[in-house]
Amino acid sequence: NAGVMQNPRHLVRRRGQEARLRCSPMKGHSHVYWYRQLPEEGLKFMVYLQKENIIDESGMPKERFSAEFPKEGPSILRIQQVVRGDSAAYFCASSTGAGDYGYTFGSGTRLTVV
Amino acid sequence: RKEVEQDPGPFNVPEGATVAFNCTYSNSASQSFFWYRQDCRKEPKLLMSVYSSGNEDGRFTAQLNRASQYISLLIRDSKLSDSATYLCVVKGGGYNKLIFGAGTRLAVHP
Repeated sequence: NAGVMQNPRHLVRRRGQEARLRCSPMKGHSHVYWYRQLPEEGLKFMVYLQKENIIDESGMPKERFSAEFPKEGPSILRIQQVVRGDSAAYFCASSTGAGDYGYTFGSGTRLTVV
Repeated sequence: RKEVEQDPGPFNVPEGATVAFNCTYSNSASQSFFWYRQDCRKEPKLLMSVYSSGNEDGRFTAQLNRASQYISLLIRDSKLSDSATYLCVVKGGGYNKLIFGAGTRLAVHP
């Protein structure tokens, strides 16, 4: 049973380009959470999605960032017109939405903006 | 005030030492509590859940004090492989999202 899968593992983008990060949840999970970790900092919540719905996007920057979790396929975190400050590790976790337990994270995508 | 606060460390201890990490949280509506471990440039991994009655997993003991909004982790007989960043994590009071502390670095030396 595969865990949370994220790709790509590493992504290099020039300033102004778009970055697309993908997250496939664990089998049977319909809830996805995205987190960002800047160098030498803790994980910061970005957005919580269920299939086809954004439940909580309180941690998302107001501009350039968007997320979706379609009925079919992985969840996508999209960053438009990337800037150097977007360089970070982006982690995704998934859950069934029920139960009182911690979440399993994917291996993350390391975005470097040059 | 941060939602979850931890001493950043680093804690430098010799093998075999006992080390304790502390954490406080601000949202009294929080419902679930965890310790995660994160190795350098890796994803965070769940170490253990934390319960008010206290719980133990081998050399690791976690404790929760809801009245004080305080969480602790005790590591006995430290091993070199325990070197990592330990993250205090709180869930609840909203949309089930996990709120992470900034982490406490532990370095165990021979």
